[in-house]
Amino acid sequence: GNSVTQMEGPVTLSEEAFLTINCTYTATGYPSLFWYVQYPGEGLQLLLKATKADDKGSNKGFEATYRKETTSFHLEKGSVQVSDSAVYFCALSDRSGNTGKLIFGQGTTLQVKP
Amino acid sequence: DTEVTQTPKHLVMGMTNKKSLKCEQHMGHRAMYWYKQKAKKPPELMFVYSYEKLSINESVPSRFSPECPNSSLLNLHLHALQPEDSALYLCASSQPGLAPTDTQYFGPGTRLTVL
Repeated sequence: GNSVTQMEGPVTLSEEAFLTINCTYTATGYPSLFWYVQYPGEGLQLLLKATKADDKGSNKGFEATYRKETTSFHLEKGSVQVSDSAVYFCALSDRSGNTGKLIFGQGTTLQVKP
Repeated sequence: DTEVTQTPKHLVMGMTNKKSLKCEQHMGHRAMYWYKQKAKKPPELMFVYSYEKLSINESVPSRFSPECPNSSLLNLHLHALQPEDSALYLCASSQPGLAPTDTQYFGPGTRLTVL
């Protein structure tokens, strides 16, 4: 079945450091891929998405490229801020049966220290 | 506007109470979802409504009863819950179908505590 694997956290960085959170997936067909962010005490916010191979999603300085050859969708940011501290979820849309289900990774907690 | 609203923000209930969670979106989306999220875990899908019809029930206990009165509203009726049902309940919406319309937008959630 479809699945998403994220690097385990927590990831602790100093402000202005480079961020990479790894995400790989297993899927039949051509799913859309997403990164969601969840700040403490809040719901999930869509951070970025990509709907086909080689697409690059970007938002608020974050980027991720849909790599079909490596089945990956790694999240990157060149310079993190304390305000980026949150839990990040990688997800794919499960199109088998056109159910609209999202398959989530386990989430990666990012802590950015001043 | 990509806003999904949920009320209440917090809810405390006893095991014999009956309460309801509400979700609303005005994006014209025709698919709506209920998720349950425990601390430090990803959301778990509970129910999916597509064009106001229940299309997926992920084997959720009958003490959770969803309702979709119209295309903008989604309710989750709660009755005789257990303490282990305490969690963050998230609502989401999307357009049914394939990319690029399959993006789900989430509400802020209702933090439920069952005593």
